[in-house]
Amino acid sequence: SAVISQKPSRDICQRGTSLTIQCQVDSQVTMMFWYRQQPGQSLTLIATANQGSEATYESGFVIDKFPISRPNLTFSTLTVSNMSPEDSSIYLCSVGFSSQETQYFGPGTRLLVL
Amino acid sequence: QKEVEQDPGPLSVPEGAIVSLNCTYSNSAFQYFMWYRQYSRKGPELLMYTYSSGNKEDGRFTAQVDKSSKYISLFIRDSQPSDSATYLCAMSPTSARQLTFGSGTQLTVLP
Repeated sequence: SAVISQKPSRDICQRGTSLTIQCQVDSQVTMMFWYRQQPGQSLTLIATANQGSEATYESGFVIDKFPISRPNLTFSTLTVSNMSPEDSSIYLCSVGFSSQETQYFGPGTRLLVL
Repeated sequence: QKEVEQDPGPLSVPEGAIVSLNCTYSNSAFQYFMWYRQYSRKGPELLMYTYSSGNKEDGRFTAQVDKSSKYISLFIRDSQPSDSATYLCAMSPTSARQLTFGSGTQLTVLP
């Protein structure tokens, strides 16, 4: 497994602004992912953060809205751009290892957009 | 039809009860099956992980997979108030890149 931390843990933002969420892992991991969990719903994969190259986005998510960086094997950021109240959600990062077929999750970032 | 179906509950049981949580799925390619526990205002925590059909036991928790019926279960014995959480099933065909989650079942264990 891995110890995963996220910053900030929560934030309240104004419409039209952007927020960058950081994900730090205590060991090098093969895969890093970003999810959104809207109130009362399950997890929706936003994108896979690829080290040294552009992220791979799922259907319905675009780079202009959710730019992602992954400069090394232990760190990634997700930016939620030009926010609207519909972006209010929990944003979670997770990691996976090439030797395993599961993922481990960070504590999440609770975002409220006014 | 969703690829993974999970009864959202809520499910409320008295302390000490046996709890059964279930998911059904439609994709016969799924080979790896997981249960996550998510406490309020926390990220999902991996609880059980099984491969293919069969049972796996860990303390008070037992995970069962029946691939012929496309049905997985999580049993909690001697349930405790600390088990109160949302339980998410997840599954993948071949790698951690391809997890598909159920919608989660909210469980409350009453003291």
